[in-house]
Amino acid sequence: KAGVTQTPRYLIKTRGQQVTLSCSPISGHRSVSWYQQTPGQGLQFLFEYFSETQRNKGNFPGRFSGRQFSNSRSEMNVSTLELGDSALYLCASSLRSYGYTFGSGTRLTVV
Amino acid sequence: QQPVQSPQAVILREGEDAVINCSSSKALYSVHWYRQKHGEAPVFLMILLKGGEQKGHEKISASFNEKKQQSSLYLTASQLSYSGTYFCGTELQGGSEKLVFGKGTKLTVNP
Repeated sequence: KAGVTQTPRYLIKTRGQQVTLSCSPISGHRSVSWYQQTPGQGLQFLFEYFSETQRNKGNFPGRFSGRQFSNSRSEMNVSTLELGDSALYLCASSLRSYGYTFGSGTRLTVV
Repeated sequence: QQPVQSPQAVILREGEDAVINCSSSKALYSVHWYRQKHGEAPVFLMILLKGGEQKGHEKISASFNEKKQQSSLYLTASQLSYSGTYFCGTELQGGSEKLVFGKGTKLTVNP
């Protein structure tokens, strides 16, 4: 069965621009979570969506937003990019009480 | 809410054992364990639900002490393939699917 697909794999953006990342979960998984991973901070929770509703949100500024569509695919958006937003962005899909399956991530570089 | 992992790093020789600990200050619904190799996405190892049941198979197992809100991951007779960074993730009791990760434990297994 297909895994979690994230696109694009790599992005280079300029400060001040905005970016949209996409995540297609495993078929049947309705929960999608997003994480930011940096060497110093590890895996930081961004938000979690279930059936098109944001159920949980991490401690990130409002520049970070997301949404989920009726087919469970999810997008996250970062507006007014800052150098500090450079990171690996991972999404994961899950069924409650089972493990999370991560996508390969989108490596975002802000210059 | 971020769980605390210890130690931060471990260096072993093949065949040696290791224990990685994860603790939370809040009551937990579940504890997850993941391994991430360099340049790859985290991979699910196991989940422990409240109840203190030890899970795992072969040479990697884990326990969850509900009274102490602590979990331990046991790696027995380590192999070179065990090298990577191990993360524990915790979900709080009464919460929905918000999995928060510790900062990770880097495990290096040498020949």
